[in-house]
Amino acid sequence: EPEVTQTPSHQVTQMGQEVILRCVPISNHLYFYWYRQILGQKVEFLVSFYNNEISEKSEIFDDQFSVERPDGSNFTLKIRSTKLEDSAMYFCASRAYDQPQHFGDGTRLSIL
Amino acid sequence: GENVEQHPSTLSVQEGDSAVIKCTYSDSASNYFPWYKQELGKRPQLIIDIRSNVGEKKDQRIAVTLNKTAKHFSLHITETQPEDSAVYFCAAKNFGNEKLTFGTGTRLTIIP
Repeated sequence: EPEVTQTPSHQVTQMGQEVILRCVPISNHLYFYWYRQILGQKVEFLVSFYNNEISEKSEIFDDQFSVERPDGSNFTLKIRSTKLEDSAMYFCASRAYDQPQHFGDGTRLSIL
Repeated sequence: GENVEQHPSTLSVQEGDSAVIKCTYSDSASNYFPWYKQELGKRPQLIIDIRSNVGEKKDQRIAVTLNKTAKHFSLHITETQPEDSAVYFCAAKNFGNEKLTFGTGTRLTIIP
């Protein structure tokens, strides 16, 4: 069964540094998402992306965040100047038209 | 915006017994309700979903019921097994939006 893949599995970064989290969605999917989950808490929506543009974003997704689909396979989340409170598990998800969202295994981001 | 409440936060059940997890939602425009199972350190995995034009859906030992009038939906697991132990999240979505709003999760423990 095809899966959403995310790299790296764990990223450790100094506060203030930029970080890029990478995702390869399932190949025939057209809708892409980033969610985050702070340890022990619920999954929170960050942003959705369709047709090469952001279709929806949450209040968490402020100017320090950006997303990009640089080629036909990758989907990235960039955090420009990381803060301690950005420490969380970040999940990428994708879906086909009128189908459920499928999640990747996540990237654990630790900000020191 | 949508708010999803989930109860209980923890649930312990004897192996073989049934487990029920309940969620309520606030936005009457929500019309899609998936349930995700998340094992420790793993991705949320879709286990069942229901759309608002259906009142109940079953897949082997798992069933979901939806009461649109009361704005609540429930997950039922029958004949529970140790491998059912995990955190379960409900979620709600309006087909007009991309955002999945998750509940706070239920940690289900199956006692052998």
